Amino acid sequence: GEDVEQSLFLSVREGDSSVINCTYTDSSSTYLYWYKQEPGAGLQLLTYIFSNMDMKQDQRLTVLLNKKDKHLSLRIADTQTGDSAIYFCAVLRADNAGNMLTFGGGTRLMVKP
Amino acid sequence: GAVVSQHPSRVICKSGTSVKIECRSLDFQATTMFWYRQFPKQSLMLMATSNEGSKATYEQGVEKDKFLINHASLTLSTLTVTSAHPEDSSFYICSASTGSFQETQYFGPGTRLLVL
Repeated sequence: GEDVEQSLFLSVREGDSSVINCTYTDSSSTYLYWYKQEPGAGLQLLTYIFSNMDMKQDQRLTVLLNKKDKHLSLRIADTQTGDSAIYFCAVLRADNAGNMLTFGGGTRLMVKP
Repeated sequence: GAVVSQHPSRVICKSGTSVKIECRSLDFQATTMFWYRQFPKQSLMLMATSNEGSKATYEQGVEKDKFLINHASLTLSTLTVTSAHPEDSSFYICSASTGSFQETQYFGPGTRLLVL
């Protein structure tokens, strides 16, 4: 099956850039997602990238995909205290029964004033 | 630790029947459980948030009478798809947490529902 790995914790200062990394194992993955979980809330889709893309930018968010290394990253520019949350990457792949979504364990981002 | 299971992993049913999906936290107590639905080739959509002992909070556009959620204990939440129709065919994922920011959210493996 698919394995998706993330580092557990990241701490940055307000105004700095944050980079959250994710690695996966299945090269047949089609879509790759970044979700944000704020305290007490469910997952919120932040952005996604299709596997034939290298980069996608959306305002303060930049997603980079290295298919060769099976590495996905999320960069948050000008990180704010409101960005403190847990960030999950997720990878979509197709199997015989349909599509399967596998999540990483989440990276806790703490932004210090 | 922190294992979340779902049962069944796959289910096929006839149109008009009801299907119950269980989500269990095996080695921790989950005050909050979330139910998600994944449409084909799309990302996950939050359906509802379930707190132990209280009514679930449904996201906009999710029919609460169609998708019944029960969080009767700190280790079990159930999602019942009532009078299922082919358009309900999907991949349903639950997750569980202790409800505080200090604790992360753990995902179940998902249940694939096919309604014929």
